[in-house]
Amino acid sequence: QKEVEQNSGPLSVPEGAIASLNCTYSDRGSQSFFWYRQYSGKSPELIMFIYSNGDKEDGRFTAQLNKASQYVSLLIRDSQPSDSATYLCAARDTDKLIFGTGTRLQVFP
Amino acid sequence: DADVTQTPRNRITKTGKRIMLECSQTKGHDRMYWYRQDPGLGLRLIYYSFDVKDINKGEISDGYSVSRQAQAKFSLSLESAIPNQTALYFCATGGSGELFFGEGSRLTVL
Repeated sequence: QKEVEQNSGPLSVPEGAIASLNCTYSDRGSQSFFWYRQYSGKSPELIMFIYSNGDKEDGRFTAQLNKASQYVSLLIRDSQPSDSATYLCAARDTDKLIFGTGTRLQVFP
Repeated sequence: DADVTQTPRNRITKTGKRIMLECSQTKGHDRMYWYRQDPGLGLRLIYYSFDVKDINKGEISDGYSVSRQAQAKFSLSLESAIPNQTALYFCATGGSGELFFGEGSRLTVL
């Protein structure tokens, strides 16, 4: 069974800090990884994807991938209360996505 | 209008009843998916379809069936609902990794 694991949190950070969200995956053959954000009561939406080892930056968000360690992370710089949500990590398995359980992030003023 | 529309949005039913959740999309993608979300368990794939003739089981397909009536329509059925099928159900469509989700259908089985 291919798995994606995340700490459920909550991860609490003060406004303006860097939030670091982590994810590990079991299938060494996985090549593509995705971060979705889900606000309470809403549906998930894609915020980042990463295919290559290293960092990928998009605004305040940076995705990091380390295939040797089977580790994916999402950094959110200058965290805002509006970033408070559950962040779902996903790995592509052929033609479908395997999701982690999500990490709940709380950004307090 | 939403790109992915699910009906009903909320449904309460009794054990043993047949339930159908419907999904339609205007994104133009061939691939459609049904996921279930439970607290602490994340999103789990029930069924997925790449076109009207291609239906695939996901990790938790037991107790569910699907029908792909057209490229834009994909319905999920519970033939005889049971309480542990109480969950939030999401339909999604998309390509290689970006999925567009519907607003969800909250199902309660008493």
